[in-house]
Amino acid sequence: RKEVEQDPGPFNVPEGATVAFNCTYSNSASQSFFWYRQDCRKEPKLLMSVYSSGNEDGRFTAQLNRASQYISLLIRDSKLSDSATYLCVVNKESGGGADGLTFGKGTHLIIQP
Amino acid sequence: DAGITQSPRHKVTETGTPVTLRCHQTENHRYMYWYRQDPGHGLRLIHYSYGVKDTDKGEVSDGYSVSRSKTEDFLLTLESATSSQTSVYFCAISPGQGWTGYTFGSGTRLTVV
Repeated sequence: RKEVEQDPGPFNVPEGATVAFNCTYSNSASQSFFWYRQDCRKEPKLLMSVYSSGNEDGRFTAQLNRASQYISLLIRDSKLSDSATYLCVVNKESGGGADGLTFGKGTHLIIQP
Repeated sequence: DAGITQSPRHKVTETGTPVTLRCHQTENHRYMYWYRQDPGHGLRLIHYSYGVKDTDKGEVSDGYSVSRSKTEDFLLTLESATSSQTSVYFCAISPGQGWTGYTFGSGTRLTVV
């Protein structure tokens, strides 16, 4: 199993729709989880951390399922500006090692007018 | 935004020449990372640093070396550039071992001809 696995997409979604994508991770000892957003030809930027109880930031909701080792991101009322690549990110192990995070290859989202 | 800058932003160089990329931070973060990003591969860790003069290899370190003589600067050197090193290079910083996520620089687009 790959360390962090995502469906590369693209997901083509009409504006205003709700879209969700998942990510699976292989290291059961991982403790920190994040979603990053990357626009074309730009650097990745932290979108949100993912907490065990689930968390919401405006139109974005992140969920963590430790038993099944997957993370999800839900985007409600999608906007054209949400078009980007979304990277699932997991820390490599429970505190050990300085080379901290593993990045998924990303899911490409295209919001269509 | 966190204070992290990369230079140069773009560079074209010839095969066989040495190239040095610079990452400079004003956040006094302990951890610094160099990644390359290529289509189909996502972000791949080249080298990282966990303090002044403390560095270690990542998954794709062959042909690269790094140095960190000051907290704020992390240099990546391509000892003898090859066409396979044409890529986008991102520097990232973190105060911890990935617990808080990373902040990325804007990237350096390197072309080796």
